[in-house]
This record gives sequence, structure tokens and C-alpha cells, in this order.
Amino acid sequence: GNSVTQMEGPVTLSEEAFLTINCTYTATGYPSLFWYVQYPGEGLQLLLKATKADDKGSNKGFEATYRKETTSFHLEKGSVQVSDSAVYFCALSWQEYGNKLVFGAGTILRVKS
Amino acid sequence: KAGVTQTPRYLIKTRGQQVTLSCSPISGHRSVSWYQQTPGQGLQFLFEYFSETQRNKGNFPGRFSGRQFSNSRSEMNVSTLELGDSALYLCASSFGIGGAPDTQYFGPGTRLTVL
Repeated sequence: GNSVTQMEGPVTLSEEAFLTINCTYTATGYPSLFWYVQYPGEGLQLLLKATKADDKGSNKGFEATYRKETTSFHLEKGSVQVSDSAVYFCALSWQEYGNKLVFGAGTILRVKS
Repeated sequence: KAGVTQTPRYLIKTRGQQVTLSCSPISGHRSVSWYQQTPGQGLQFLFEYFSETQRNKGNFPGRFSGRQFSNSRSEMNVSTLELGDSALYLCASSFGIGGAPDTQYFGPGTRLTVL
């Protein structure tokens, strides 16, 4: 079935380091891909999305490119801040199932000053 | 514009009881989805409602049910609570129309603890 696999965390980085969180998916058809972020004690916030192959989503310095050939949607940021410490979720949805989101397990990011 | 609101934020119940959680979507949004988040199972889709009709359903037992009102507000109900139902329950809303999957906006969640 359709699924999302994320790199396991926690990922611990120093401030201003480069971030990559890997995400790969298995899906039939052409899913839409999302990154959500969850700060402690809060719900999920949409970080970025891409709806077709080669689309690049970007927001707040984060970027991810929809790579159909490698079924990947890796999240990157050039210079992380302490305030980026959170849990990051990769997710997909597809037209046949309306708004149902399938999430990866989440990756904890810790940024040290 | 106000975001998705969920009430209550915290709940403590005992096994065997039932509970009702409420979600008010963003104004203009007609689709409401519910998710369960636990450390062991992660984020799992419960169901989606659109225009008062259940449009999609996840793999949860019949003890989990929901409904949507004409103003798009939604409630979910869990009957005969079990310890394993302890979780953060998240509600998400979106416009819900059109052919492509919609961007969903999440509320802060209701933390349910079953003792």
C-alpha cells in the first residue's frame, strides 16, 4: 500500500549547520507530498508542499523537491536555527482517497546553540 | 482569520467511559478530518467529513465515530474507552472541493488520557 519512510532521529545539529531529512514514499499514481512541523505541545503546521514531479516547495528557508524517479521528497535547509527544533513529518495524499494523509514516523530535530 | 479550534484541550477518562471531542474548522472550510497520534503508531487517519457526510474512513474499530454539522463543525466520539485510546487527537480542516488533494490545516489537538 501507500507509505512514507523517513530517516530516524533524533537529528542533532549545531546552529547554522546544513539540514537534510530524508523522505521516500511508495504510492500508486501521482500523490501530493507535504512536510509538516510539530512544535512541542502544538498541532501540525504545514511547512511546504509539492503536487507534481519536479515541483519544489519552499517556505521559511526550507526546501524540498518532488523527485518521482527516486520517489523522494527530502527536506533541506541551508542554515538551521535553535527555533527550528521540532518534529518534522513527511506525508502524502492522493486524489483517489480525498484528503486522507499518510504520514511518516516523524524525525526529531534538535538544534544546539 | 481564526485557525482550527479544538475543545477540550485535555481530557482524563476511565476505561469503559465514552468521550466526545469537538472541532471547529477555519471559516469557509467544509472538510474536517480526524487523526490519532500516539508514540507507538504515529499519526493515523480516523475519518473525513465533508458536507455532513463521511467521505473517507481509516482502519479503526466501530467504537470510533464522528459526525459533522451544517456549519461544518465536527465531533468525534469514542465509546467504551480502552487504555490504548490514550492519544493526541488532531483535527484538520480544508476547503475539500476540487479534484486534487487539498492543503489541510491542523488544530492544536485534544490530549486524551484513559486511566
